[in-house]
Amino acid sequence: AQSVTQLDSQVPVFEEAPVELRCNYSSSVSVYLFWYVQYPNQGLQLLLKYLSGSTLVKGINGFEAEFNKSQTSFHLRKPSVHISDTAEYFCAVSEPRTGNQFYFGTGTSLTVIP
Amino acid sequence: DSGVTQTPKHLITATGQRVTLRCSPRSGDLSVYWYQQSLDQGLQFLIQYYNGEERAKGNILERFSAQQFPDLHSELNLSSLELGDSALYFCASSSSGLVQETQYFGPGTRLLVL
Repeated sequence: AQSVTQLDSQVPVFEEAPVELRCNYSSSVSVYLFWYVQYPNQGLQLLLKYLSGSTLVKGINGFEAEFNKSQTSFHLRKPSVHISDTAEYFCAVSEPRTGNQFYFGTGTSLTVIP
Repeated sequence: DSGVTQTPKHLITATGQRVTLRCSPRSGDLSVYWYQQSLDQGLQFLIQYYNGEERAKGNILERFSAQQFPDLHSELNLSSLELGDSALYFCASSSSGLVQETQYFGPGTRLLVL
């Protein structure tokens, strides 16, 4: 089974500064990769996903992520954060060859400071 | 609003009891997923149904069961409840149940076991 590691449980960042949220997964087999965002008292919302093709994936709200197969990483970035980006961010992995199981990281709490 | 509805929003019950959580997927979606989010175990995939049939199973306890009905709504049954079952339970839906599809999450049911 996959394991997903989000290295930073909390990330404070000033408004308009860049941010990177890190995600590593355990297996180098073919995977699909996802980033989800959870705003307070809400369900999860998909930010972006990598299925195949270009390793740089662009998502909603100005976020992007880069798939690095050799480092088994899928880090999320945004060049300039806003107050409204304050939320919990989850990285998730699935292995299409083994079925529809999803494995989530423990989440990173992003706090944008005015 | 994702279009996925979950009832009830909150549920308080006692150890040993049984509860039923309900989920209505987005209009047109055939697949439903259940997740558990707790402080100690994070976000875990429980089970997936597609058009009434179980498609994938994750870390679902034997005390838990689910089903998807002909009208595509789904229910998650939790029995012999323990304190550790206190968590936020999410339902998500997708159109065809393929792992690469976007899942749309409901707002969750918060269960407290006393």
